[in-house]
Amino acid sequence: KAGVTQTPRYLIKTRGQQVTLSCSPISGHRSVSWYQQTPGQGLQFLFEYFSETQRNKGNFPGRFSGRQFSNSRSEMNVSTLELGDSALYLCASSLTAPNYGYTFGSGTRLTVV
Amino acid sequence: GQQLNQSPQSMFIQEGEDVSMNCTSSSIFNTWLWYKQEPGEGPVLLIALYKAGELTSNGRLTAQFGITRKDSFLNISASIPSDVGIYFCAGPFFSETSYDKVIFGPGTSLSVIP
Repeated sequence: KAGVTQTPRYLIKTRGQQVTLSCSPISGHRSVSWYQQTPGQGLQFLFEYFSETQRNKGNFPGRFSGRQFSNSRSEMNVSTLELGDSALYLCASSLTAPNYGYTFGSGTRLTVV
Repeated sequence: GQQLNQSPQSMFIQEGEDVSMNCTSSSIFNTWLWYKQEPGEGPVLLIALYKAGELTSNGRLTAQFGITRKDSFLNISASIPSDVGIYFCAGPFFSETSYDKVIFGPGTSLSVIP
């Protein structure tokens, strides 16, 4: 079966712009979590969605937001981009929540210039 | 905030050698997870542990849930070049004000010299 699909794989944006990243979970998975990965901070939890509801949120500014659709696909949005937002953004899905057996996508590499 | 510590930070070993790495926390965890990440990919779940003292194997990988519930260990036997990657420990962190979230350690980078 298809894995977790993240689009786009690579993205270059300018400071001040906004960006939307997409994640399609494994078919049947209803929970989607997002992580930011940087060399300095490692994997940092952004938020988790389950059945279209935000179940938990990490310690990120309000510029970071997300949502989940009825088909479990999820998007995250970052507004007013800063240089420090350059990172690999990873999406992970699981059947239910809580369920720690995440399957990760390959990520979206965002570069802010 | 809550964090996990991993050691060593990096390892360079000869092919065929055994590898040991560990993960510690100041808080108790009820579940320990071990992931591996290869360049250009997302982390892949290797082993999940659910009970103190539990020892679980996945091929040449063996992980243990520490008795104190504040640590976990991962061993790789007879390393091969495809073991190269970053190994992360992770676990669900519970707070009084929110649902659990899975947090990750900083990782142990493994290099295997043929």
